[in-house]
Amino acid sequence: GENVEQHPSTLSVQEGDSAVIKCTYSDSASNYFPWYKQELGKGPQLIIDIRSNVGEKKDQRIAVTLNKTAKHFSLHITETQPEDSAVYFCAAAISGTYKYIFGTGTRLKVLA
Amino acid sequence: GAVVSQHPSRVICKSGTSVKIECRSLDFQATTMFWYRQFPKQSLMLMATSNEGSKATYEQGVEKDKFLINHASLTLSTLTVTSAHPEDSSFYICSARGPDLGIQYFGAGTRLSVL
Repeated sequence: GENVEQHPSTLSVQEGDSAVIKCTYSDSASNYFPWYKQELGKGPQLIIDIRSNVGEKKDQRIAVTLNKTAKHFSLHITETQPEDSAVYFCAAAISGTYKYIFGTGTRLKVLA
Repeated sequence: GAVVSQHPSRVICKSGTSVKIECRSLDFQATTMFWYRQFPKQSLMLMATSNEGSKATYEQGVEKDKFLINHASLTLSTLTVTSAHPEDSSFYICSARGPDLGIQYFGAGTRLSVL
């Protein structure tokens, strides 16, 4: 079945440094890839997404890149701040449906 | 825009009782909502897809008689955990498919603790 792998599982960076989280998906027909941020005890919040007809998308300090050939997509956070500390999930939409397969999550800790 | 409200945020119940969780799309109509379950420090696992006006579609391994889903209107889906047991204790999260190309917007989650 469809699968999304996410790495690393934990990531600690110094405030101001960049953080990169990587995901690999298995369904070559997937065409939509959202990223969610989840704070403790809360629901996931959409922070950025990308569709398969685009290779890169940026929104202020956050960017996502997509390599369809390799079936990889990555989240890049620049100039990290303590409030960026959270768990980040990547997801891939299952082709032909509106359902998502989620990655296993990355716990990001930004050290002040 | 695209706000999803989930209620209650936390519920504690005795074993054998039933618990209902509500998921509402506040500023858009959602023909499709999703229910997820999340164990501590784990990812979101899709339990079922809730379709307005029709029966829910359950993922493999999810007991439909245990987790009753009703999607009676375009803004409300409910999940009822019937005859809850301690192993049902978990964080339940709903999402609603927004009007914008199928993006899912999530509620804040419900922490269920069954004693």
